[in-house]
Amino acid sequence: DADVTQTPRNRITKTGKRIMLECSQTKGHDRMYWYRQDPGLGLRLIYYSFDVKDINKGEISDGYSVSRQAQAKFSLSLESAIPNQTALYFCATSDAGTFSYTFGSGTRLTVV
Amino acid sequence: DQQVKQNSPSLSVQEGRISILNCDYTNSMFDYFLWYKKYPAEGPTFLISISSIKDKNEDGRFTVFLNKSAKHLSLHIVPSQPGDSAVYFCAASDFPGGSYIPTFGRGTSLIVHP
Repeated sequence: DADVTQTPRNRITKTGKRIMLECSQTKGHDRMYWYRQDPGLGLRLIYYSFDVKDINKGEISDGYSVSRQAQAKFSLSLESAIPNQTALYFCATSDAGTFSYTFGSGTRLTVV
Repeated sequence: DQQVKQNSPSLSVQEGRISILNCDYTNSMFDYFLWYKKYPAEGPTFLISISSIKDKNEDGRFTVFLNKSAKHLSLHIVPSQPGDSAVYFCAASDFPGGSYIPTFGRGTSLIVHP
C-alpha cells in the first residue's frame, strides 16, 4: 500500500456541488498538507496541519476548507465547486523538523 | 510575486549528456533548498537538498550547486538517462518558526532523448 493515499484519483463534478477529497497516510507523520498544481503554476499550498488540533491556511485557501480527523487523515473540501478549481490536488506529509515531504499520487478534479 | 523562479519551462537533452536545471530566488532569508522530481500520474518525490552553509551537494548522478550571492541554484544530472524525463520542481524555505514549509517554483519539464 502507498504511504500516502488519496481518493478519489479522478473526479468530475458540476459547478456548485460540494466535494471532498480524502487523504490518509501510514507514515506516522504529524504534519499534513494540501497542495494544488495548475499547468505552469507549480505547487501552491492550500492548507496545512501540524497536528490534529492545528489547522493553518496556505497561500490559496479561499474556497476550500479542511478537516483533520485523525493523525493519519486529512480531508479537503470544496463547499461550492467552481470551474477555476479544476486542477491536480496533492496531499503530502512530513515529520517535524524535516523539509522532505511524501506526496500522494494526486486527485485530478474537473469542475464543469 | 514569485519568490522561486524556474524560468525554463522545458529542457531537452540527449541521453548521456549533462542536464542543467536552473532556479533563481528572490528572498534572501531562504536558507534551505530542495529539488523534487515528478513523473506523470504520480506525486512529486524528494530528490536532493542543500543548506545555505554549503555550495554543493552530490548524490550519485545528481549534484545541486548553490550560489548565494547570485541567489541561484542549479541541478546537474550527469549522465542523463531517459528515465530522468520528468518535471523538476525547485523549492526553498526560510524556516520561519520551525515551519519547514517550502515555496515551490513552477517546474521545468526535462526530456531526455535516447
